[in-house]
Parts: sequence; C-alpha cells; structure tokens
Amino acid sequence: DTGVSQDPRHKITKRGQNVTFRCDPISEHNRLYWYRQTLGQGPEFLTYFQNEAQLEKSRLLSDRFSAERPKGSFSTLEIQRTEQGDSAMYLCASSPGTLLYEQYFGPGTRLTVT
Amino acid sequence: EDQVTQSPEALRLQEGESSSLNCSYTVSGLRGLFWYRQDPGKGPEFLFTLYSAGEEKEKERLKATLTKKESFLHITAPKPEDSATYLCAVFNTNAGKSTFGDGTTLTVKP
Repeated sequence: DTGVSQDPRHKITKRGQNVTFRCDPISEHNRLYWYRQTLGQGPEFLTYFQNEAQLEKSRLLSDRFSAERPKGSFSTLEIQRTEQGDSAMYLCASSPGTLLYEQYFGPGTRLTVT
Repeated sequence: EDQVTQSPEALRLQEGESSSLNCSYTVSGLRGLFWYRQDPGKGPEFLFTLYSAGEEKEKERLKATLTKKESFLHITAPKPEDSATYLCAVFNTNAGKSTFGDGTTLTVKP
C-alpha cells in the first residue's frame, strides 16, 4: 500500500456550486479523519469515522458539509452551496485506531471558491 | 476544550545551529502527543508519538520529549533539508480526535 490518496488534488469552483472530494485510506486502517487547513494554521478537525460509522463531527461543520464512508473503505466529503470562506486545503488521514492513534495524511485537496 | 500552543511561530537557524521547538498543551484524556512535519503544499508527515511524561523518541537529527504540560522537539545540527513546518497534536481519547497547534516554521540556511 502506498499510503493515503486523495482526489482531486486541486478544485476550482464558483460560489454556490457543490463539490465532492474522495479519500482512499491505508487499507488496514479502521479510522478515517477529515481536516481543513488554511494558510498559517494547523489542521482543523471536521469529522471522523470508525469503519463505516461517523462518530464525531466538529461544531464548526455546517449543514452544507456531509461526509460518508460506505462499507468502511473510501470516504467522500461533499460541500454544498460553496462559499468563498470554504477555500482551504482539505486533508484526509487514516489511523490504525486500535491502541495506535497516530494519523497518516494524504496529500490534500486544495479548494478555491471564486 | 483541548488547546495546543506552539512556539516560536517561526525559527531561522544557520546550518549546524541546534535549537528546540516547544508545544504546550491542555487536554482531557490524553492518549498521545504527536509530532508531524509538513512541507509546503503537502499533507503532514508523521514523525513521533509520545504517550507518557518522561518518554523520548529520536529520528536522525530530531529528538522529541514529553512532560505533563509540554513537549519539545530538539533539532541537532540541522541541515537545509530540515526546513519545514513542524506541527504538534494531542489525541483526546474521550473525544476520539486530535487537536493541532499552528506549527513552527523552521528555516535552515546553509
């Protein structure tokens, strides 16, 4: 396995459009996390999954954001009615999740909302 | 609410000039403290996990230490390729998630 992959790497969209990002975790990892990162800041937690169950969502995650992890494999993050404030790097990470909690990150998806 | 504060925000060193980065934290239910390296435009790269006060981990020119309130990342005789942003994060086992600091951007000049 070559690590966590994310697609697309870059996305430019117009305000009001919907966008969807995909994350493929390391295959034997149970936990999958989504983060948002803006310039000069550390990653900000959005949500995480244990297998297919979404166990925690940040209070900062508005109703326009939704995430899924069908069958406990890949995950998607959808943003509806994008706003300029959504422009950021969206990072996915996976973790073994059983006594080992370090997270391995993908390369990220850079979203620009014009 | 869990908090992680990293200092300094930026650090410029000459090649071979050793120094330390600081990570102060407050968290309930600490299950681990992590250090990551992040290069511009890339995702963070995992470096170390520290689980209990007094623990130390080393990797090449980097050494991480942990106390009950803070962690240090010591860099010995740095090289230009060590230039990056170093992120610290704490894992809250009660919430099942990590909280990150804003990082220290290290620049090593040849």
